Amino acid sequence: KAGVTQTPRYLIKTRGQQVTLSCSPISGHRSVSWYQQTPGQGLQFLFEYFSETQRNKGNFPGRFSGRQFSNSRSEMNVSTLELGDSALYLCASSLGLAGHEQYFGPGTRLTVT
Amino acid sequence: DAKTTQPTSMDCAEGRAANLPCNHSTISGNEYVYWYRQIHSQGPQYIIHGLKNNETNEMASLIITEDRKSSTLILPHATLRDTAVYYCIVAGGGGTSYGKLTFGQGTILTVHP
Repeated sequence: KAGVTQTPRYLIKTRGQQVTLSCSPISGHRSVSWYQQTPGQGLQFLFEYFSETQRNKGNFPGRFSGRQFSNSRSEMNVSTLELGDSALYLCASSLGLAGHEQYFGPGTRLTVT
Repeated sequence: DAKTTQPTSMDCAEGRAANLPCNHSTISGNEYVYWYRQIHSQGPQYIIHGLKNNETNEMASLIITEDRKSSTLILPHATLRDTAVYYCIVAGGGGTSYGKLTFGQGTILTVHP
């Protein structure tokens, strides 16, 4: 069974731009969670989606948003990029709602210049 | 979510058992203990989880004390590929932990030849 895939793997953007990251969960998994990893803050939860609905959200500004499609694929968007948004963005999928046995993708490395 | 405390770093000789401790004294009755690891530049990898009984799978064993205030992850025969950051996470029980994994700083395990 294929794992979680994320695209693109690397991205360079300029301050003020917006970016969309994509995540395809493991087949059959219906929940997708997003995390941000930085050297200073570590791994932080962004949000979780299940059945196309956001079920939980971390402490991030409204510039961070996401959505989930009927096939469980998910996207996250960051608008008006700031230098501090440079991070590894990780997507994880789990079988059901509020699942904590999560399977992570390789991440998207975003650099904001 | 209950807070966890782990040693910052540990060393282990290749072929020996690696025993990684975790304290979670404020764990509540319906919360589980999860272990993940992150090998450099990769997404975190689920290892094992448990509620109160000891658990074993092909990767590791999890020993939870009777009072559930601490646990130990055991890698029975550590290899160089087990060098990683290991995270102990308490989650579950519903409420605001819906699908959210709260990562601490983890334990950097270094396996030496």
